[in-house]
Amino acid sequence: SAVISQKPSRDICQRGTSLTIQCQVDSQVTMMFWYRQQPGQSLTLIATANQGSEATYESGFVIDKFPISRPNLTFSTLTVSNMSPEDSSIYLCSVGRLLGTYNEQFFGPGTRLTVL
Amino acid sequence: AQSVTQLDSHVSVSEGTPVLLRCNYSSSYSPSLFWYVQHPNKGLQLLLKYTSAATLVKGINGFEAEFKKSETSFHLTKPSAHMSDAAEYFCVVSDPYNQGGKLIFGQGTELSVKP
Repeated sequence: SAVISQKPSRDICQRGTSLTIQCQVDSQVTMMFWYRQQPGQSLTLIATANQGSEATYESGFVIDKFPISRPNLTFSTLTVSNMSPEDSSIYLCSVGRLLGTYNEQFFGPGTRLTVL
Repeated sequence: AQSVTQLDSHVSVSEGTPVLLRCNYSSSYSPSLFWYVQHPNKGLQLLLKYTSAATLVKGINGFEAEFKKSETSFHLTKPSAHMSDAAEYFCVVSDPYNQGGKLIFGQGTELSVKP
């Protein structure tokens, strides 16, 4: 499995500001994803980060709020824009590989965000 | 559309006793199923996966799960709980023929292990 790192590991931010989270993988991967885990909740997919094109967002998530970059096959960023306390969550990136008919994903350690 | 339901939000066992975490799924096609574990302040780790091969799947740390199509279940078991097993466990379904193999997470089951 790939080794995935995220920066920062945690942050406390003021409302109205923006935070960019970085995800670095130690090998080239085709599929990268960003998830949100709200306090005490399960994981929800925010978007698929596509290399060389715009990210594909899930219902309820928009590019203006969560812009994503994917400049190459080992790196991606997620920005949480104009933050409010409701954005306090753990944000996780994952990388996936297609093995036959299924998609196996490995997750980074997450970024714990608190918005005051 | 596919979905997954974890039947217990919290399970408590004593150390050395068996663990059973229940999961039911709904999928239009033969799904791929996974169990992930999340220890406090840690990322998610893949425990095991079912991908239409053997119905009894063995994973890491002594865990195993059995795929039962007739019951649409994929329960996670371990014969003897260890204190280090205390964590949040997620049952996950991936339907390769819908939504590009997107992972759908259950709500999670928190496992507590008493000494």
